[in-house]
Amino acid sequence: TQLLEQSPQFLSIQEGENLTVYCNSSSVFSSLQWYRQEPGEGPVLLVTVVTGGEVKKLKRLTFQFGDARKDSSLHITAAQPGDTGLYLCAGGDSNTGKLIFGQGTTLQVKP
Amino acid sequence: GAGVSQSPRYKVTKRGQDVALRCDPISGHVSLYWYRQALGQGPEFLTYFNYEAQQDKSGLPNDRFSAERPEGSISTLTIQRTEQRDSAMYRCASSPRTGGHYNEQFFGPGTRLTVL
Repeated sequence: TQLLEQSPQFLSIQEGENLTVYCNSSSVFSSLQWYRQEPGEGPVLLVTVVTGGEVKKLKRLTFQFGDARKDSSLHITAAQPGDTGLYLCAGGDSNTGKLIFGQGTTLQVKP
Repeated sequence: GAGVSQSPRYKVTKRGQDVALRCDPISGHVSLYWYRQALGQGPEFLTYFNYEAQQDKSGLPNDRFSAERPEGSISTLTIQRTEQRDSAMYRCASSPRTGGHYNEQFFGPGTRLTVL
């Protein structure tokens, strides 16, 4: 069974601080996606990483895929209250399109 | 354009009743996925379809759960003889391709099921 472990599960920080969320697995995935979910809404895709060691940046967010394609990290620089939400990593199977989600990291950024 | 829609948005039922949850994917999307999501947790895979064919139902908890997508568009998730433990948010997602590395899933707003 493929599992994705996210850490931390909860994070409450002040505006302007930096943070990193980790997503780890013992399984290799063909891709790793990060989603963000706001209360009452469905998850929305932020980024997809495919190549081991790949780094992608989206404004203040930096995503990295581990060399062995088993883990990933999301780093947010100078967090803002608008970053508040549930962050989900999801391991993908390129043959089926099926995603296995981690349990999520709830981020609260206080003004 | 219209996104993924689900109905009803909220469903309250009594234990032992059957419920049918509907998902209307984005037009033209070939794959459709069903998930169950607990509050503050990641979505838990239930089943998925490519076109009208159910490809994987390994996540369905037991045989009271079933899903269909007869014409390759709208899908229905049916729960028979509901139990209180079935209470959850049920989410549907669709994607434009059947696989590939960059296959984004677009999620619906979910159906909140409460079994009394």
